[in-house]
Order: sequence, then C-alpha cells, then structure tokens
Amino acid sequence: NAGVTQTPKFRILKIGQSMTLQCTQDMNHNYMYWYRQDPGMGLKLIYYSVGAGITDKGEVPNGYNVSRSTTEDFPLRLELAAPSQTSVYFCASSYYRGQGEQYFGPGTRLTVT
Amino acid sequence: GENVEQHPSTLSVQEGDSAVIKCTYSDSASNYFPWYKQELGKRPQLIIDIRSNVGEKKDQRIAVTLNKTAKHFSLHITETQPEDSAVYFCAAKSSNDYKLSFGAGTTVTVRA
Repeated sequence: NAGVTQTPKFRILKIGQSMTLQCTQDMNHNYMYWYRQDPGMGLKLIYYSVGAGITDKGEVPNGYNVSRSTTEDFPLRLELAAPSQTSVYFCASSYYRGQGEQYFGPGTRLTVT
Repeated sequence: GENVEQHPSTLSVQEGDSAVIKCTYSDSASNYFPWYKQELGKRPQLIIDIRSNVGEKKDQRIAVTLNKTAKHFSLHITETQPEDSAVYFCAAKSSNDYKLSFGAGTTVTVRA
C-alpha cells in the first residue's frame, strides 16, 4: 500500500492564482481530512469528509473548497490565492470515525507571493 | 467545540532524562486521545493513543496517562535519546464528533 499520497510536493503561486492540491489514499478509509500547518505552529483543520459525497468545514475553511466523488480521492481547491495561504498542507485519512490512527500524507509546501 | 491546550511549548532535556508533556481538554465527551510525533520536515505520525476507559498505557519508553476528572492527559518519555528530538502534538476527539482537535505542539530537544 502506498498509504496517503499528495501532489505536488512544492508549489509557488502568485497572488490571485488558483490551484488544486491532490490527495489519494489506497486504504479504503472513509474519513479524510485536510490540515494546514503554518511555520512553527500546530495543525488546523480546513475541511473533512466522512465518505464519498459528504464534506464539512473545519476550523479554517475560508478560501478553500473540497470535493469527494470517490472513497480514494479528496482534492483541495484554492481559489484566488493570498499570502496568508502560504503553509504546508497535509492530507490525512482514518478508518474508524476519527478514532484510530490518522495516516498523514507527506505534505505540500505552498508559497504564495 | 473541543479546545486542547498543550504545555510546555518547548522542552530541552539531557539525554537519558525523562520528558513530560501535558495537555488539557475542554469537552467532557472526549473519549480518544492520541499523540503524534513530527520530525523536522516530515509528516506527523502516531506514537501512542489512549481511550477514555483506560487510565494509563505504555509502549516501551513512552507512556500516556489520562485523568478524566481533571480533563488532562500527559505523555511521558523515559531514557530520552537524540532521536526523540521532534515536535509532539496531543489531540482529543469527542464521542460526538468525527475529527481531532490538536494541541499547539511541544518542541522537544534532547541534548547529548
């Protein structure tokens, strides 16, 4: 199993550009999450999903959108990028309604200039 | 929602000494408490977790204790080694919820 994979690893965006961060898991997990981690800070939940077709907002959803059309994929869309969105983005998945290990992807380092 | 506070924010210990990190949570319905370790530039990884029906759990040099009455839980690392240097995050999950609430993290440095 590859676990949780994310692409790209690094990206530089100009202010106002848009992009999609990809996340895929091959563990057949129902629960998937997107976090952002600012330098020297903790993990803040952006969006999460409890299954295909079901998504919900986390702590910091403004400026982002998600979709979950399949169990495997949970892309995160940034519209009109702003410098405040410079961060490392982690996708994670878990099997049992959040209780049990969350498996994290390797992260995407995004810089908006 | 759940609020998790973590202390200290940084911790420096001599190799071989013990390290203790403490977290408090606000939601009395929380029933799952994991600890994650994040090495520099890497992804967070689960090192130990505890459920609310257990007071203590050990795994080799690491242990977690839970006090439900006081709503706090702690991570104990004994006989620290240089490879224990990392950022450690505590988290809590309410039985009413699907997501974890993370603490702000503790940067542990083990001095040789």
